[in-house]
Amino acid sequence: GAGVSQSPSNKVTEKGKDVELRCDPISGHTALYWYRQRLGQGLEFLIYFQGNSAPDKSGLPSDRFSAERTGESVSTLTIQRTQQEDSAVYLCASSFDQNAYEQYFGPGTRLTVT
Amino acid sequence: GQNIDQPTEMTATEGAIVQINCTYQTSGFNGLFWYQQHAGEAPTFLSYNVLDGLEEKGRFSSFLSRSKGYSYLLLKELQMKDSASYLCAVSRGSTLGRLYFGRGTQLTVWP
Repeated sequence: GAGVSQSPSNKVTEKGKDVELRCDPISGHTALYWYRQRLGQGLEFLIYFQGNSAPDKSGLPSDRFSAERTGESVSTLTIQRTQQEDSAVYLCASSFDQNAYEQYFGPGTRLTVT
Repeated sequence: GQNIDQPTEMTATEGAIVQINCTYQTSGFNGLFWYQQHAGEAPTFLSYNVLDGLEEKGRFSSFLSRSKGYSYLLLKELQMKDSASYLCAVSRGSTLGRLYFGRGTQLTVWP
């Protein structure tokens, strides 16, 4: 079956603009995660969704970042008023549920803020 | 917070054995993970340890000592395709989902 997909693969935006990143998880996976990978840094947890439970937003770096998920499918990560420090690869992952030890990652969206 | 330390870079030759170490400090620990990430690609799962000891899976093995906050990934019979970044991560709390990653160890395998 299809893996995790993300779009766009690359996004260049001007400082101050809003961007929306999309993630399609593996069908049937109830848990969905967003991570950020800055150049030379480790993956940084941002947010995760588990079924219909309230999302764990504790990793979001500021109130400019928000994410939504429609049921147990598509998720969008929105960054408002982008800053240059937001430049990174944004990775989405999904797993069968929040207690499954294997997360399946998408290819990521490379965001460049100029 | 979590302190996860691993070497930045390592090199080895084809056919050799390499051990990548990872140390961590975290409260509520409930699992240690290793992922492999080739340049420009998504991370892929390698192993999960929650109990002390060695877990073997083909050419790759992972070890955990919870009391020492220490893990290692052992790669045997190295191949060129093993050149990649190896990411150590821990989970804490009541679920396995939220992972905290180290910066990764870039392994280069030479012929």
